[in-house]
Amino acid sequence: QVQLVQSGAEVKKPGASVKVSCKTSGYMFTSFGINWVRQAPGQGLEWLGWISGYNGNTNYAQKIKGRVTLTTDTSASTAYLELRSLRSDDSAVYYCARSLLSTGGGDFWGQGTLVTVS
Amino acid sequence: SYELTQPPSVSVSPGQTARITCSGDALPKQYAFWFHQKPGQAPVLVIYQDSQRPSGIPERFSGSTSGTTVTLTISGVQAEDEADYYCQSADSSGTYQVFGGGTKLTVL
Repeated sequence: QVQLVQSGAEVKKPGASVKVSCKTSGYMFTSFGINWVRQAPGQGLEWLGWISGYNGNTNYAQKIKGRVTLTTDTSASTAYLELRSLRSDDSAVYYCARSLLSTGGGDFWGQGTLVTVS
Repeated sequence: SYELTQPPSVSVSPGQTARITCSGDALPKQYAFWFHQKPGQAPVLVIYQDSQRPSGIPERFSGSTSGTTVTLTISGVQAEDEADYYCQSADSSGTYQVFGGGTKLTVL
């Protein structure tokens, strides 16, 4: 069965960086992309970026472009999100989701990773 | 930047039909996706590519499109359908994805 398992909660100081992992299983990693989405407390969903599992092509949300890097390790079927220069308003639950298209979707989701910047 | 507009809330009684709209200029060109999310849980895909239903999603969930508006319809609403619903799509270039602000569905 398809599973996406994310790394554990993080507490970071302002200005630091965080790297969240998303280990996938149960499907061919290179046949799908990964969407990254976050949700601040009590707020809606915010798209952060998409990365192709096939060739590593990326699209980033304009709001955080320049502070975020998405990568993959195809040998480990794992995707990573790195966010730099953390601010208090980056505190949120970060999700990865399997997405066939670069223009939307997410049929299987990770459990979420809480990142607290304080 | 591109935006998708949803009503903040929709309320229906059990057994009635709930319709949640999502408006955006690029929707005639880009697929729409719908998710529901219950407190403390990850989102769940309920409609993809405008009107397709993933396996395991009840038939009472359907999606439609008309011009710059897409609609999620839940027929015969059940108490378990109470959740936040989000539409998702991309801008006309297909470069940037976006979520609507979310609609809280209340089952009276």
